[in-house]
Amino acid sequence: SAVISQKPSRDICQRGTSLTIQCQVDSQVTMMFWYRQQPGQSLTLIATANQGSEATYESGFVIDKFPISRPNLTFSTLTVSNLSPEDSSIYLCSVEPSAGGEQFFGPGTRLTVL
Amino acid sequence: EDKVVQSPLSLVVHEGDTVTLNCSYEVTNFRSLLWYKQEKKAPTFLFMLTSSGIEKKSGRLSSILDKKELFSILNITATQTGDSAIYLCAAQGAQKLVFGQGTRLTINP
Repeated sequence: SAVISQKPSRDICQRGTSLTIQCQVDSQVTMMFWYRQQPGQSLTLIATANQGSEATYESGFVIDKFPISRPNLTFSTLTVSNLSPEDSSIYLCSVEPSAGGEQFFGPGTRLTVL
Repeated sequence: EDKVVQSPLSLVVHEGDTVTLNCSYEVTNFRSLLWYKQEKKAPTFLFMLTSSGIEKKSGRLSSILDKKELFSILNITATQTGDSAIYLCAAQGAQKLVFGQGTRLTINP
C-alpha cells in the first residue's frame, strides 16, 4: 500500500475564491487521481494527474475550473477555482502503486463554500 | 456508458446478523472489481477481485466475483457496530475506476 496525506483536511471558503489541495505520497507512484464526492453521492473521477504533462480530465471537468499540477512522482495539487456553493464536496486523491492494482485513497479534504 | 449499480442502497440490521451487499457492473475492458469501506472521508480498501468464483476473505468479511453474470457480493458475518459505514464497489476498466452509489449499512446494538 501507500501512505497518502492531504492538506488541508477541511476548509470553508467564500464564493469566488479558490482553494488548492495538496496530496503527498510516501513513495513514487506513476498513477495519481483526483476525485470529487458531492454530499450524499458516490465518488466521481475528476482527472488523472500525469507527471510531466497536462492532466487528463474526465467529461464534465475542465482545466480552467480544476487546474492540476504534478511536479514529481510523489506530489500533486488540485485547485478548485472560482468557487460556488455547488463545489462543496469532499475531494480525494488516490494512487495506484502497481499498474492495474489496487487504488488507495488519501484522507480527503472537506470543502464548504459559503 | 460504464455503469456500476449497488443494492440495497441502505440496510439496517442488528448486531450479530449476517449481511450480503450486491454490486453489478457494465464496464468496457473490465479488469477488476474493488470493494471499499467509507466511514468518514477516505475509502479504505477491502478487496480486489479479478477471477470468477474465487472467494477472498478477511476476518468476518468475504467477497466473490462472477464475471459471467457481471456481479459481485460482499458478505459480512456476525456484524458489529463498527461495521456501520458506506460500502463502495468499483469496477476497474481500461483507464479508470467507476464507482457505484454505495450501500449505507447501519448496525444497531
